Amino acid sequence: QSVLTQPPSASGTPGQRVIVSCSGSTSNIGRNIVNWYQQVPGMAPKLVIYTTNQRPSGVPARFSGSKSGTSASLAISGLQSEDEADYYCATWDDSLNGPVFGGGTKLTVL
Amino acid sequence: EVQMVESGGGLVQPGGSLRLSCAASGFVFSSYAMTWVRQAPGKGLEWVTGIDVSGMSTYYGHSVRGRFTISRDNAKDTVFLQMNSLRVEDTAIYYCAKGGTQVRGVSSFDRWGQGVLVTVSS
Repeated sequence: QSVLTQPPSASGTPGQRVIVSCSGSTSNIGRNIVNWYQQVPGMAPKLVIYTTNQRPSGVPARFSGSKSGTSASLAISGLQSEDEADYYCATWDDSLNGPVFGGGTKLTVL
Repeated sequence: EVQMVESGGGLVQPGGSLRLSCAASGFVFSSYAMTWVRQAPGKGLEWVTGIDVSGMSTYYGHSVRGRFTISRDNAKDTVFLQMNSLRVEDTAIYYCAKGGTQVRGVSSFDRWGQGVLVTVSS
């Protein structure tokens, strides 16, 4: 069971806006920045959002992140078929003294 | 181009040992903390261990503490993971990843290797 809770699945049609949630606690999301990873099956994870709301070079502006209290969200607008992948949130946990990941959300583009 | 290439994976019996290597290139290796993250078949990501730039400070996940040891050779731009007393539940793809300038407080890994499969089975 993961320290951070994500819905196991999400879906949307091309062009739609989809939001993936990540719920934690005061020892992790509540006091640390959140990062998001995209993983296409068979490939290594790729950082798509860092420091809660920053996009690495090359990541489309359709991807955005936010945080409120002990929860964080990844929003993907103008959904495209290439966005179909697993998405993981991650943050540092002060109690566990290490990074923790969410269980992952499988995004399907219908 | 930043690149990490893992090696050393394979099939090992329960209780056995294995040493993974991750050769890095394309960045100043000695300026960045390094991390190992694993993914069991069909499961999510699990942080395993991290090491600071000098190699003096190391951090471990609870499931591997006391059995795994991370180290680095800054002269060879390589990070290692020595895995002892392996269990069936250690079966996973092991990724090495480039972190920030320190381990503590960091969960942002901007470059990952392709991963190496470790299978623990009798």
